[in-house]
Amino acid sequence: QVQLQESGPGLVKPSGTLSLTCVVSGGSISSDNWWSWVRQPPGKGLEWIGEIYHSGTTNYNPSLRGRITMSVDKSKNQFSLILSSVTAADTAVYYCAKSGNIFGYVTDSWGQGTLVTVSS
Amino acid sequence: DIQMTQSPSSLSASVGDRVTITCRASQSISSYLNWYQQKAGKAPKLLIYGVSYLQSGVPSRFSGSGSWTDFALTISSLQAEDFATYYCQQSYSPPQTFGQGTKVEI
Repeated sequence: QVQLQESGPGLVKPSGTLSLTCVVSGGSISSDNWWSWVRQPPGKGLEWIGEIYHSGTTNYNPSLRGRITMSVDKSKNQFSLILSSVTAADTAVYYCAKSGNIFGYVTDSWGQGTLVTVSS
Repeated sequence: DIQMTQSPSSLSASVGDRVTITCRASQSISSYLNWYQQKAGKAPKLLIYGVSYLQSGVPSRFSGSGSWTDFALTISSLQAEDFATYYCQQSYSPPQTFGQGTKVEI
């Protein structure tokens, strides 16, 4: 059973850069899965940020394109999210997740989430 | 982007009730429709994928139906542990989009 754990600063200044890492345990990041990020502003719904395959292929949400970079580190079995030029609207719980190939690719495992607050 | 619209946004129900939540896609998504349950302060949990396939460990009182643009999640007999927020999600094409959520409360 794959487990995911997010880590990163809980507070980021406006116009700064948000940087999160997700460590994958119980499975290889080089397996046939997409690795994704989803966020949830306080009291609101879920927003898909983007996904990355172990080859480095990415799909990003167009609403955030230009500000997002995702990467994979196979040696550490982890993947990362960088979101630049953040504003208060980027305050959210950020989840990393795995999408397994069960019916197309379905998000079937989630990290516990980490709250990132954008504030000066 | 494919827009996903859930209804209702919230509902009140009692233990033992049959509950149905609907989800409509702005274009055909074939059968690439998934349902998640989220309890307060927790990560979402996959309940159903591919419209009607129950994720391992999910009770059989949960079921899914529909095709193309119109889908539904049904809880046949609501239990106390089912009070939560439910989201539909399309995995037909990126960006994968979620419905706005349906809060099921007492």
